[in-house]
Amino acid sequence: AQKITQTQPGMFVQEKEAVTLDCTYDTSDPSYGLFWYKQPSSGEMIFLIYQGSYDQQNATEGRYSLNFQKARKSANLVISASQLGDSAMYFCAMREGMDSNYQLIWGAGTKLIIKP
Amino acid sequence: DSGVTQTPKHLITATGQRVTLRCSPRSGDLSVYWYQQSLDQGLQFLIQYYNGEERAKGNILERFSAQQFPDLHSELNLSSLELGDSALYFCASSVSSHAANYGYTFGSGTRLTVV
Repeated sequence: AQKITQTQPGMFVQEKEAVTLDCTYDTSDPSYGLFWYKQPSSGEMIFLIYQGSYDQQNATEGRYSLNFQKARKSANLVISASQLGDSAMYFCAMREGMDSNYQLIWGAGTKLIIKP
Repeated sequence: DSGVTQTPKHLITATGQRVTLRCSPRSGDLSVYWYQQSLDQGLQFLIQYYNGEERAKGNILERFSAQQFPDLHSELNLSSLELGDSALYFCASSVSSHAANYGYTFGSGTRLTVV
């Protein structure tokens, strides 16, 4: 079973509109963390935002916020007031537990294209 | 500049050859991770080193090997290369063996093309 599911392979959004990128996860570990990364066409991976499983509030970083719904195992990324530079691949990833032997588990990504 | 340095940025080589990819982690980071990203796909974890020791292994082929040196830089060796090994290879680093709240810091990647 997929541990991280991103159901939107691609999205087109009008500039200045808000965008929601979906991410659902599957884990039985009570301690986990969720990450979003952006990969522009240039290829680099850019960390955007982090949400810990015990965090009481939804994470926010500038125009990025994470809509964390623990019971639904959902961690959607919301980008407010989208800009042309937001066009990129977006990946959701999860860290399970706090064990030192971990890797991030990655979703397949969503390709976001912002239209002028 | 993320602070994680990967060289070379691009590499074109023939099938059957061997290449070495190099990664210098961000200053102060002890963990190094290697990932492979094939065209239009997500990241596949290959291997993790922490302070010179192998810490975790993912879907790394036997033709591939890695090591982390005392100065904490890491090398990923790919041998008997096949066309399917063409991909973007990322190195990432983090302070501890945990991802912490900021996850990894990624390098800009090495794009390997096998012809």
